[in-house]
Amino acid sequence: EAQVTQNPRYLITVTGKKLTVTCSQNMNHEYMSWYRQDPGLGLRQIYYSMNVEVTDKGDVPEGYKVSRKEKRNFPLILESPSPNQTSLYFCASSSLTGGDTGELFFGEGSRLTVL
Amino acid sequence: RKEVEQDPGPFNVPEGATVAFNCTYSNSASQSFFWYRQDCRKEPKLLMSVYSSGNEDGRFTAQLNRASQYISLLIRDSKLSDSATYLCVVNGYNFNKFYFGSGTKLNVKP
Repeated sequence: EAQVTQNPRYLITVTGKKLTVTCSQNMNHEYMSWYRQDPGLGLRQIYYSMNVEVTDKGDVPEGYKVSRKEKRNFPLILESPSPNQTSLYFCASSSLTGGDTGELFFGEGSRLTVL
Repeated sequence: RKEVEQDPGPFNVPEGATVAFNCTYSNSASQSFFWYRQDCRKEPKLLMSVYSSGNEDGRFTAQLNRASQYISLLIRDSKLSDSATYLCVVNGYNFNKFYFGSGTKLNVKP
């Protein structure tokens, strides 16, 4: 089954305690991206990756890091989480192959609370 | 100014009604357009892509007006199961960024 898997799905942590949210896709997609969703603001892009070892900032990258060492994995790292990073996070992937619709496939989301 | 703007709603309609959502985008170089559906606390899922000539999928019709930079979604014969938030999504020229509207909430009542 084609899917994007995120872990953990729910996490409560404290300010300053480093955490990683993993994301893995089994569709051999080149493009992967992280978003956060906050009430009234919609989904905002944090970082994206066009392929292995190719990453770039989205619209709200401050306080986050990513890496793309393998095509299937795109972890999101919060080195020193702060309460303003409390949010619902989505990982998504898409194929860049010509002819595809460009559909984004989303993981189920990770709800993060930073106290 | 936001890249993509939508009326947040909520739109409260009875079953069987026809409802239309609009969405405007700011970048005239945008290449791809989509409507996604998001149920409460769940991930967004593709409802339909939007093509220049307009396209239909059952009760759903999407249209694109490049000159005015807006996208529309028409839902005919609303069902209770259509209750959700509908996200307008625009993809930029270089594909690398997808811009999301904040969503329009639809409540279909019995």
